[in-house]
Amino acid sequence: DAKTTQPPSMDCAEGRAANLPCNHSTISGNEYVYWYRQIHSQGPQYIIHGLKNNETNEMASLIITEDRKSSTLILPHATLRDTAVYYCIVRPRAYNDYKLSFGAGTTVTVRA
Amino acid sequence: DGGITQSPKYLFRKEGQNVTLSCEQNLNHDAMYWYRQDPGQGLRLIYYSQIVNDFQKGDIAEGYSVSREKKESFPLTVTSAQKNPTAFYLCASSQGQGLTGANVLTFGAGSRLTVL
Repeated sequence: DAKTTQPPSMDCAEGRAANLPCNHSTISGNEYVYWYRQIHSQGPQYIIHGLKNNETNEMASLIITEDRKSSTLILPHATLRDTAVYYCIVRPRAYNDYKLSFGAGTTVTVRA
Repeated sequence: DGGITQSPKYLFRKEGQNVTLSCEQNLNHDAMYWYRQDPGQGLRLIYYSQIVNDFQKGDIAEGYSVSREKKESFPLTVTSAQKNPTAFYLCASSQGQGLTGANVLTFGAGSRLTVL
């Protein structure tokens, strides 16, 4: 699997957009980018995923650069409940590849 | 509501004892997973199962064992061979690759094991 690099932490003001970067410079053509988040002492929660097009759902937007070597998760209007660890993961689209591990992620703190 | 149930939420054990963590899902997912999380760390894969009666080792399988006799159940046994078992254990499931090639995981709330 391609490795990802995320900043260890970032702060965000409540009500403002939070832009979370992820570098995946070794990504290959068949690898998806996934984002999950984990609120303290809970199980991780799926946010969004994409292959090469930008994606948006009710939680967030995912912007993937044209060369696919990096992506940005955007929380459009951060709230205190968005304080969590955010994980960026890439993994192959292979039908029989189920191994998926999570790095340390980015600890996002939303401040009032 | 569909989801994943892990039990117990908190568990204490003495050194040298085996302990089994339960994971049940009613999402009709084919694949199930066990992860370990240590304080301030990411999630490390212990075991995973793509289908009933089949499972594979993840990155840190030593000292752990699993079974997958039913589609909805994937219990994890932490054996006395696991040298540092105190951790937060997370179970997950997924439908599999599907037509889109995506494989989204749904997680349980976790079980926190403390060895005294």
